[in-house]
Amino acid sequence: GAGVSQSPRYKVAKRGQDVALRCDPISGHVSLFWYQQALGQGPEFLTYFQNEAQLDKSGLPSDRFFAERPEGSVSTLKIQRTQQEDSAVYLCASSLVTGHLNYGYTFGSGTRLTVV
Amino acid sequence: DQQVKQNSPSLSVQEGRISILNCDYTNSMFDYFLWYKKYPAEGPTFLISISSIKDKNEDGRFTVFLNKSAKHLSLHIVPSQPGDSAVYFCAASVAGTYKYIFGTGTRLKVLA
Repeated sequence: GAGVSQSPRYKVAKRGQDVALRCDPISGHVSLFWYQQALGQGPEFLTYFQNEAQLDKSGLPSDRFFAERPEGSVSTLKIQRTQQEDSAVYLCASSLVTGHLNYGYTFGSGTRLTVV
Repeated sequence: DQQVKQNSPSLSVQEGRISILNCDYTNSMFDYFLWYKKYPAEGPTFLISISSIKDKNEDGRFTVFLNKSAKHLSLHIVPSQPGDSAVYFCAASVAGTYKYIFGTGTRLKVLA
């Protein structure tokens, strides 16, 4: 596709429910990132994939968060047993290049998760 | 510990005038800086970047200045236009890492 596509755009989950957020990166983009943006804050890094390999997951806040990109294209961010503090916009970004990114990524529009 | 700080949450500027958005950082290892622009309900869009080996980078109406000794960068928009109204984030990275550290953003409003 022309841009990074994320679905759903909005998700309301009851506390304790599991959720799965999907990201379709730009075709051919090697690098894929997930960021979390809480209200009034800047995006915070969660995890990074180079093709199907998850090279950095240091930003995942707990073991309830899990991300995968099994075929090196579409990625899913899964949150188990959601809690209210998980409420945020989850942004996916992709980039054609690997390694140190000097060009800026292309972000999707995000999934707004509200845990009630 | 906020490594990238944008101390002004909002800024209003008259159309045609200069907008100056500021960003301070604490990590001297940062070697690449970017500015992103974000409209409501959209993802951030890359605007302009600067490497730590430069002190200025210009792209049309947008200029980024870097003062390494002060650990400060700024984005100048001249002339400002109503379509520039958005939230602007500065971000920084360290060589060899994959991630950017973002500031909290400054909401710019350009008044017609």
